Amino acid sequence: TQLLEQSPQFLSIQEGENLTVYCNSSSVFSSLQWYRQEPGEGPVLLVTVVTGGEVKKLKRLTFQFGDARKDSSLHITAAQPGDTGLYLCAGAQEGFQKLVFGTGTRLLVSP
Amino acid sequence: GAGVSQSPSNKVTEKGKDVELRCDPISGHTALYWYRQRLGQGLEFLIYFQGNSAPDKSGLPSDRFSAERTGESVSTLTIQRTQQEDSAVYLCASSFTGTGRGQPQHFGDGTRLSIL
Repeated sequence: TQLLEQSPQFLSIQEGENLTVYCNSSSVFSSLQWYRQEPGEGPVLLVTVVTGGEVKKLKRLTFQFGDARKDSSLHITAAQPGDTGLYLCAGAQEGFQKLVFGTGTRLLVSP
Repeated sequence: GAGVSQSPSNKVTEKGKDVELRCDPISGHTALYWYRQRLGQGLEFLIYFQGNSAPDKSGLPSDRFSAERTGESVSTLTIQRTQQEDSAVYLCASSFTGTGRGQPQHFGDGTRLSIL
């Protein structure tokens, strides 16, 4: 059973466009992390959100944790080719010591 | 460097052979994780070590897979009698503590395993 579903699975856009990636679950998470993975490398942490309703901004990236702590979104403004990669959300559940990773969203930004 | 180190970076072997993959975590990190990532897919949890506690092996797909960790240092993932379906990138990650409190995981670059 996949606890964290991401949508869309794949997104191909032109440089300068905006996009949103969603991470949804029926389970509650104590915290949620977003990672980006580039080809041939391991995932790298972008942000951690821990409070329901929390919004964090990292330059052109905006992350939001749902009020009920069951979902999250990642919005990228004016996408650039350097944003290309696999975006993974990952949730930590209270009392559990391992992360549950989402299904992943593969983003391709063309010049 | 001070990151998670995995070796080998690439491994090609024949079906039926055993393989051993190595992970050197970041010094001081008590938690260590192994994941499998098939081509174009997300991460599939395999096993989790936390200090001297019994490992969480709930993600190992079959009894051909095993892993060991000595204290809070190096870990090895062993796949016996490899099958073509085992072809994937095997990623190792470590964290300061277990990630139940939102601790980030730091990943190595993985071992790309190809079974002929």
